[in-house]
Amino acid sequence: SQKIEQNSEALNIQEGKTATLTCNYTNYSPAYLQWYRQDPGRGPVFLLLIRENEKEKRKERLKVTFDTTLKQSLFHITASQPADSATYLCALVNAGKSTFGDGTTLTVKP
Amino acid sequence: EAGVAQSPRYKIIEKRQSVAFWCNPISGHATLYWYQQILGQGPKLLIQFQNNGVVDDSQLPKDRFSAERLKGVDSTLKIQPAKLEDSAVYLCASTGNSNYNSPLHFGNGTRLTVT
Repeated sequence: SQKIEQNSEALNIQEGKTATLTCNYTNYSPAYLQWYRQDPGRGPVFLLLIRENEKEKRKERLKVTFDTTLKQSLFHITASQPADSATYLCALVNAGKSTFGDGTTLTVKP
Repeated sequence: EAGVAQSPRYKIIEKRQSVAFWCNPISGHATLYWYQQILGQGPKLLIQFQNNGVVDDSQLPKDRFSAERLKGVDSTLKIQPAKLEDSAVYLCASTGNSNYNSPLHFGNGTRLTVT
């Protein structure tokens, strides 16, 4: 059956460091992969999209990689700030249907 | 642009009661989704509408859940009768682009507690 795994439930890092979140999947062939941010009590907010034929995508301090051989995406936040603290969700997209992982909660300590 | 509107924000009911949630998507967005998010988990798709037609309801527990989007704009999701395991946040999302890579625009959800 299809499975999406995001790394450890919680990730704690120091301000200024790079946060790296992982999204692994099995039994799935996504055409796209999206990353969302979710704050407590709010709906997810779209951050970045990467296509299956793209290796890397960047947006300001964010970088996403997509390795369809390893079936893995890495999400990096460089120069992290306390305001980056949130839950980050990856979503695999195929034929218009998005399937979400359970998210990784990131806490950036000052 | 105004975001996806949902109401109510919170609802507490007893098991076996019924409840309804309302969603108004971003103006012009043809595709509307209802997701269920249980605490600590990612959103799980319940139903997808394209205009006023159902595209995918394969994960909707049809014995107790129903949804409609009569005029292709607003949508309501109903649960009758509710069970304890229905306690979750119900998120509505919309997209306006027919491209399959369009990001989802979510509302802030309705938090349902079934006691």
